[in-house]
Amino acid sequence: GAVVSQHPSWVICKSGTSVKIECRSLDFQATTMFWYRQFPKQSLMLMATSNEGSKATYEQGVEKDKFLINHASLTLSTLTVTSAHPEDSSFYICSARPGFGNQPQHFGDGTRLSIL
Amino acid sequence: QKEVEQNSGPLSVPEGAIASLNCTYSDRGSQSFFWYRQYSGKSPELIMSIYSNGDKEDGRFTAQLNKASQYVSLLIRDSQPSDSATYLCAVKEPRSNDYKLSFGAGTTVTVRA
Repeated sequence: GAVVSQHPSWVICKSGTSVKIECRSLDFQATTMFWYRQFPKQSLMLMATSNEGSKATYEQGVEKDKFLINHASLTLSTLTVTSAHPEDSSFYICSARPGFGNQPQHFGDGTRLSIL
Repeated sequence: QKEVEQNSGPLSVPEGAIASLNCTYSDRGSQSFFWYRQYSGKSPELIMSIYSNGDKEDGRFTAQLNKASQYVSLLIRDSQPSDSATYLCAVKEPRSNDYKLSFGAGTTVTVRA
């Protein structure tokens, strides 16, 4: 159980393009989803916390107008990187957790984004 | 001081040996602790959770928690080459209603055949 699906796995696109990444919880309802970014050889950096039906909470230093997050249902959250530039190239990973008890976060497979 | 600190590694162990990973945390109110394994180029995978003082065993993995010392560890017995990965210690932020986790920087383990 607790399977999280993330799509797409890889994206290569030109500078200035907007890219949407989807995160789905397949076998549970996720009240809360999280979006992380990871640069090579570094640990996870939390970008934002997404609660179903409300605005995302962004971590300090993360531009909310650059990284648009939508969590319209209990099984789907999306991250849109707007007007992407080469410095946005990174590994983006979502996680989700069931909304009850001491359930841990479960991660999607990640999206490797390369901006040319 | 970082919220979650891990021994930096890399840690190299021979096949069949015990790999010992350490993690300390700064917030004494923390109650929930997790170990994730991350293979190179992949996303983290949950391998252990622990909430009470003492040991918790799952197959070849044993997590140990000592809240008084603010210390959590992971032992990997009979290490296999497939255990070669980066291990992330994660601590639930005690005042987070959203179940946010603070992650350590990770310890990279290499198991030598």
